[in-house]
Amino acid sequence: DAGITQSPRHKVTETGTPVTLRCHQTENHRYMYWYRQDPGHGLRLIHYSYGVKDTDKGEVSDGYSVSRSKTEDFLLTLESATSSQTSVYFCAISEGRGSTDTQYFGPGTRLTVL
Amino acid sequence: QKEVEQDPGPLSVPEGAIVSLNCTYSNSAFQYFMWYRQYSRKGPELLMYTYSSGNKEDGRFTAQVDKSSKYISLFIRDSQPSDSATYLCAMSPSQGGSEKLVFGKGTKLTVNP
Repeated sequence: DAGITQSPRHKVTETGTPVTLRCHQTENHRYMYWYRQDPGHGLRLIHYSYGVKDTDKGEVSDGYSVSRSKTEDFLLTLESATSSQTSVYFCAISEGRGSTDTQYFGPGTRLTVL
Repeated sequence: QKEVEQDPGPLSVPEGAIVSLNCTYSNSAFQYFMWYRQYSRKGPELLMYTYSSGNKEDGRFTAQVDKSSKYISLFIRDSQPSDSATYLCAMSPSQGGSEKLVFGKGTKLTVNP
């Protein structure tokens, strides 16, 4: 998984609680991304980061916030979890340069909101 | 119309068959095309990467891009049970970084021994 770890790998939580997912990379890549994957919708971008403390919104950012205080870590926070946020969350990284640059994915976090 | 359309399948073939997976797209600005393979309960892994039109071959896998038809394909020769997975196409207008990838929804393939 290209030097990418995600924690936790599985989480069950209750509606209304805050949840933080962590993505850690050892590749020193500049760009990091958070996606969610749902049946019938495929992969959808939530937020991405193009450097330390530099982040931007993706397609489905409502209800999510992110932070990147170090190159290697990208945190995704569900401020008040809802059942619609039950999903599998993937982190991805890319170098951000070069003719063959593309995104490499982590193993995923399976989140269930009851 | 969705930017990227991909038949979700499922597709079931016997071992040794030639498999053809396809995506169509509407944005003529797309120039970089990727195929990812995703095993059950795993993250997507990059399988093939092509730029603009043409073919690219890697072992049993061949990726084709036809920009005039806005159509990309992935062919798998001599398919194996280990090829059973969901295949996602992805594309972007430019390379890497802040340019976001647009994904198809994936085609689930089962290769039967």
